[in-house]
Amino acid sequence: EIVLTQSPGTLSLSPGERATLSCRASQSVSSSYLAWYQQKPGQAPRLLIYGASSRATGIPDRFSGSGSGTDFTLTISRLEPEDFAVYFCQQYVSSPLTFGPGTKVDIK
Amino acid sequence: EVQLVQSGAEVKKPGESLRISCKDSGYRFTSYWISWVRQMPGKGLEWMGRIDLSDSYTNYSPSFQGHVTISADKSISTAYLQWSSLKASDTAMYYCARWREDIVALDVWGQGTTVTVSS
Repeated sequence: EIVLTQSPGTLSLSPGERATLSCRASQSVSSSYLAWYQQKPGQAPRLLIYGASSRATGIPDRFSGSGSGTDFTLTISRLEPEDFAVYFCQQYVSSPLTFGPGTKVDIK
Repeated sequence: EVQLVQSGAEVKKPGESLRISCKDSGYRFTSYWISWVRQMPGKGLEWMGRIDLSDSYTNYSPSFQGHVTISADKSISTAYLQWSSLKASDTAMYYCARWREDIVALDVWGQGTTVTVSS
């Protein structure tokens, strides 16, 4: 089973700042198989990024993904008030699909 | 437009059985996979397994194999997650989501079903 580790656990930032979230895999993950999700309190997760760097339908371009191998990054270029949430990475190179533990982005 | 609508919150006692549902209200239900994801209170996301709606083939996470059953009824565009004997540790939010093989991601999610198991 591929284990995903996310850092930091919590990121405290102000609106307008840049957020950089990390996802590290226990073994190499093809970039095609790495996705990111956003979850706000009381809501279902929402797909942000698939294939490590492709934005899902309707996702603003302030969200971007990058990385390869075992290290992946989600960047939010300028935080908007609605971006304060928890972010999860996910892989599916092989079953079982696994998620990282999440990074909470909260207001400083 | 795909929309997954899940059944309502459940409160059960340990040892009871339960089946929750996930209905597709807007797409060709038979042409993709549905996954189930658990989220325990205050915790992260755990993939439980998935079902291919074209032929009902299922694929479970080892962590959930034997503890739950995933099934579907194509005729009413509905997928199910079932327990035969609930435990207090099954208390959680359960989400269904559409798995897209082409993008290797869960692109549409249901609103979630809260299951509370307490004596």
